[in-house]
Amino acid sequence: DIQMTQSPSTVSASVGDRVTITCRASQGISSWLVWYQQKAGKAPNFLIHGASRLQSGVPSRFSGSGSGTDFTLTISSLQPEDFATYYCQQAFSFPYTFGQGTKLEIK
Amino acid sequence: QITLKESGPTLVKPTQTLTLTCTFSGFSLNNNGMSVGWIRQPPGKALEWLALIYWDDEKRYSPSLKSRLNIATDTSKNQVVLTVSNLDPVDTATYYCAHFAYHGSVRGFDYWGQGTLVTVSS
Repeated sequence: DIQMTQSPSTVSASVGDRVTITCRASQGISSWLVWYQQKAGKAPNFLIHGASRLQSGVPSRFSGSGSGTDFTLTISSLQPEDFATYYCQQAFSFPYTFGQGTKLEIK
Repeated sequence: QITLKESGPTLVKPTQTLTLTCTFSGFSLNNNGMSVGWIRQPPGKALEWLALIYWDDEKRYSPSLKSRLNIATDTSKNQVVLTVSNLDPVDTATYYCAHFAYHGSVRGFDYWGQGTLVTVSS
């Protein structure tokens, strides 16, 4: 199985801050990396696919980058609605493993 | 518009078999490229991918749970059924079904059901 490791596990930030979350795969996955946002008590929301392609309707302050084993999710200017938990997932090979999540908290 | 909704028991006993149904609309599993998966999330923990079924009835399972899982479709009813056998309290989780986008450069779970919390307890 491909292991997905996110860092940090928790990040505290303020409205307007720029935040970067990292996801590392235990082996190369090309660009088959997906990012989801999950708010408390809700299903995940599909944010970015192909490592850097924003899903329709996702604000442009979200961006993704990387290929191979190292990936980042960046939120350029945090808004109140962005405080949530973010998960990466590899869609390169089965099983389609998720990272352990990064909780974005209000400072 | 694609929608999915999970249904099934909320409380099951250890050693029993859990049967969950995902009822969906807005697409057909008879169509090339369509697929539906199941993902679960124990309380306070991370997402875990369980299984996926494709339009051509190809099935994929999490290796760690493969012996206990079965995924099947009822295309006439637009439903996907997941069974989990020999339940244990560690199987307590919110179970989600989701549409898996699989076209061109897109791969990922783009539409999700609301989830259903299943508690395994005697």
